[in-house]
Amino acid sequence: QKEVEQDPGPLSVPEGAIVSLNCTYSNSAFQYFMWYRQYSRKGPELLMYTYSSGNKEDGRFTAQVDKSSKYISLFIRDSQPSDSATYLCAMSAGGGYQKVTFGTGTKLQVIP
Amino acid sequence: DVKVTQSSRYLVKRTGEKVFLECVQDMDHENMFWYRQDPGLGLRLIYFSYDVKMKEKGDIPEGYSVSREKKERFSLILESASTNQTSMYLCASRTGTTDTQYFGPGTRLTVL
Repeated sequence: QKEVEQDPGPLSVPEGAIVSLNCTYSNSAFQYFMWYRQYSRKGPELLMYTYSSGNKEDGRFTAQVDKSSKYISLFIRDSQPSDSATYLCAMSAGGGYQKVTFGTGTKLQVIP
Repeated sequence: DVKVTQSSRYLVKRTGEKVFLECVQDMDHENMFWYRQDPGLGLRLIYFSYDVKMKEKGDIPEGYSVSREKKERFSLILESASTNQTSMYLCASRTGTTDTQYFGPGTRLTVL
């Protein structure tokens, strides 16, 4: 069983829809949670970074962490065609030298 | 803005060749990483370095070596390229106190 599970998609939605992307994990030591966005043929770029449980909002993006269920989500409101990309979740047990474990990514397509 | 650059975007090599992939970051980050990214397998850590001349094996170091002679530069070496090393190679860097990694654009390597 992988430490981090992420549905690969593809997920196809109409422009303006609310998108929900999710990851589950098995390592209860994970405390730091990240979402990266990767456009085709580009490197991943950090989108959201959260610590422990709770919500964090940044513009149209909301990251949610439920440590009791070992489940994290990224919500995208009013989705745009420019949001079409692969979204990777990532997590680690602590800052500094701790290893970061990535999900395999969910491919999202927002149709105009 | 953090900038991580990689020496080549696309590279085609022959089986048995020695291949050098170079990564440079401009933010004085202590930690640097090499990953490979394959469909369905996500990002897998090959090697990382937490200081000049220091290196640690990641999850899949076989067939690879690394060099870090200067803080800003981290090289990945394929001693004798094989077809199963055809992949997207991503370099990343971060400070020693956070989990946030900054990625380069990637090098798509094809070994024939």
